Amino acid sequence: GQNIDQPTEMTATEGAIVQINCTYQTSGFNGLFWYQQHAGEAPTFLSYNVLDGLEEKGRFSSFLSRSKGYSYLLLKELQMKDSASYLCAVKGGNNRLAFGKGNQVVVIP
Amino acid sequence: AAGVIQSPRHLIKEKRETATLKCYPIPRHDTVYWYQQGPGQDPQFLISFYEKMQSDKGSIPDRFSAQQFSDYHSELNMSSLELGDSALYFCASSLGSQSYEQYFGPGTRLTVT
Repeated sequence: GQNIDQPTEMTATEGAIVQINCTYQTSGFNGLFWYQQHAGEAPTFLSYNVLDGLEEKGRFSSFLSRSKGYSYLLLKELQMKDSASYLCAVKGGNNRLAFGKGNQVVVIP
Repeated sequence: AAGVIQSPRHLIKEKRETATLKCYPIPRHDTVYWYQQGPGQDPQFLISFYEKMQSDKGSIPDRFSAQQFSDYHSELNMSSLELGDSALYFCASSLGSQSYEQYFGPGTRLTVT
């Protein structure tokens, strides 16, 4: 089975940097994904890690340590539109995504 | 670029009624996934199809069934609806069953009264 933990909510100011953590336990591992979800909308893909290390994509970076079952998403130069829920999801031995409960980020001026 | 299309976007049903949700994947995508997201909850995987065959099954109630048609669109049929079925239902599609990226549709919001 899969067990994914994420903290729940954080507030940050525009221009700041936030780090969102995700720990997981899974049987089989085929990658870890980060999605952004605005309320009532579909999750949108942000990043994917399958090997250890840091993946950088513009203002967003994601890090993975498979041995520790740990990932983080780094959001830089926060903008108001970044206010959303950030979900980490693990793809296990099958192809399904197992989502964590999401971390709500609130960006304030 | 074309995205995943879901219909209807909103649906209101009464208890014990049936509902059918439709999903049209991105053109050329052959794999479809269904997820259920209750209020304040994370998306939960229900079922997936690859090349019109069921490829994986998650926490889908026996009251629900789904299929993928020859044009790759998929339908989720829900019977004997319960209040707890009220949720956002997302469909996602990918090219190939091993593709790393799943593209999500806008979702269908089902409200059971």
